[in-house]
Amino acid sequence: DTGVSQNPRHKITKRGQNVTFRCDPISEHNRLYWYRQTLGQGPEFLTYFQNEAQLEKSRLLSDRFSAERPKGSFSTLEIQRTEQGDSAMYLCASSLRRDASTDTQYFGPGTRLTVL
Amino acid sequence: AQSVSQHNHHVILSEAASLELGCNYSYGGTVNLFWYVQYPGQHLQLLLKYFSGDPLVKGIKGFEAEFIKSKFSFNLRKPSVQWSDTAEYFCAVTHSNNAGNMLTFGGGTRLMVKP
Repeated sequence: DTGVSQNPRHKITKRGQNVTFRCDPISEHNRLYWYRQTLGQGPEFLTYFQNEAQLEKSRLLSDRFSAERPKGSFSTLEIQRTEQGDSAMYLCASSLRRDASTDTQYFGPGTRLTVL
Repeated sequence: AQSVSQHNHHVILSEAASLELGCNYSYGGTVNLFWYVQYPGQHLQLLLKYFSGDPLVKGIKGFEAEFIKSKFSFNLRKPSVQWSDTAEYFCAVTHSNNAGNMLTFGGGTRLMVKP
């Protein structure tokens, strides 16, 4: 297996700009998750997809955030009108869901966003 | 809402010392439990997991964890640490009623092993 990949690895932007991140999951994994991690904290769930359907969004995901997984393969996470509080590591994970007892998430390297 | 607590934020050990990192969760139903590790400059990697069966779970690199349901705990142990175990360790939980299987993470424990 190639692992979960994420691009870019680092993004520096000015407040008010839009940014988009990409995640490529492990091949044939039907679930894809986005998490956000700030310094000194554990990752926090943002949203997840089963195939192309976005099934749940956290309250952390404001209206400025949108995620897509158009063909059930890669996913994009867009942040519009970035704010300094959006600075964080954005993590993607994927899993092969057969049932709850086997569902294990594998994480990518993350995209570190810095909003100036 | 469920929560996960990792009591030790920073741990410093000498090589060959024994390790135990605490993890407690708040959810009362059936849970799935995980430990992830993040080595310096690397991404989160799965160390071990518990879904059911034997509550003593063995993972990679000599790590093990014990699920104690009555204590809502899933502590990570290693009998003899090495310098290469220096990393941040995260406990995570999901529960069987959670159709999305989203992980709830603890705040992490930074382990430094002195050579």
